[in-house]
Amino acid sequence: NAGVTQTPKFQVLKTGQSMTLQCAQDMNHEYMSWYRQDPGMGLRLIHYSVGAGITDQGEVPNGYNVSRSTTEDFPLRLLSAAPSQTSVYFCASSYSYPGAANYGYTFGSGTRLTVV
Amino acid sequence: KNQVEQSPQSLIILEGKNCTLQCNYTVSPFSNLRWYKQDTGRGPVSLTIMTFSENTKSNGRYTATLDADTKQSSLHITASQLSDSASYICVVSHTGTASKLTFGTGTRLQVTL
Repeated sequence: NAGVTQTPKFQVLKTGQSMTLQCAQDMNHEYMSWYRQDPGMGLRLIHYSVGAGITDQGEVPNGYNVSRSTTEDFPLRLLSAAPSQTSVYFCASSYSYPGAANYGYTFGSGTRLTVV
Repeated sequence: KNQVEQSPQSLIILEGKNCTLQCNYTVSPFSNLRWYKQDTGRGPVSLTIMTFSENTKSNGRYTATLDADTKQSSLHITASQLSDSASYICVVSHTGTASKLTFGTGTRLQVTL
């Protein structure tokens, strides 16, 4: 049981390049989310999905796209990388939505992205 | 504005000692509060979850308390170990809104010999 798998673990991009951060879970969770973690700030929600084919914007969606073609996969695309997108990115999945009393988020191990 | 504030920002203690981390929140309407442990270079891992009606919940050497009236929570670590060195993050969930969480900035705990 792998849980939530993120790839790559580290990435360096040049300004203007695009890339996709991969996220896969094997727990059959409907809810998946992408967060970014910056020094001195709490995790901030970028995009989330409540099931295959359904995505929505979070708190800081600009510059990022997502899609959810299967229950297992939830990739995050950076369209044109900017230095402000230098951060650690976490994918998380849950068996129920976070507003529910018994939700349980499982986080991936993160992708450390540097944009130069 | 929904906010979660944690204190202290960082803490250094000797192995075997106890410590208490604080979390104050202004999230409304409140659903539940979780404490996560985040080791360096890893994703957060849940320690405890508490709903409105729960005052105390334990997970081994970790004990969380919740005072819903004052909107405060604490995480007490007993007989600390070197492996407790990590960031501890308080996360509050809102009711009625899908995927709506407010994260604290965390307390960085270092346990030394």
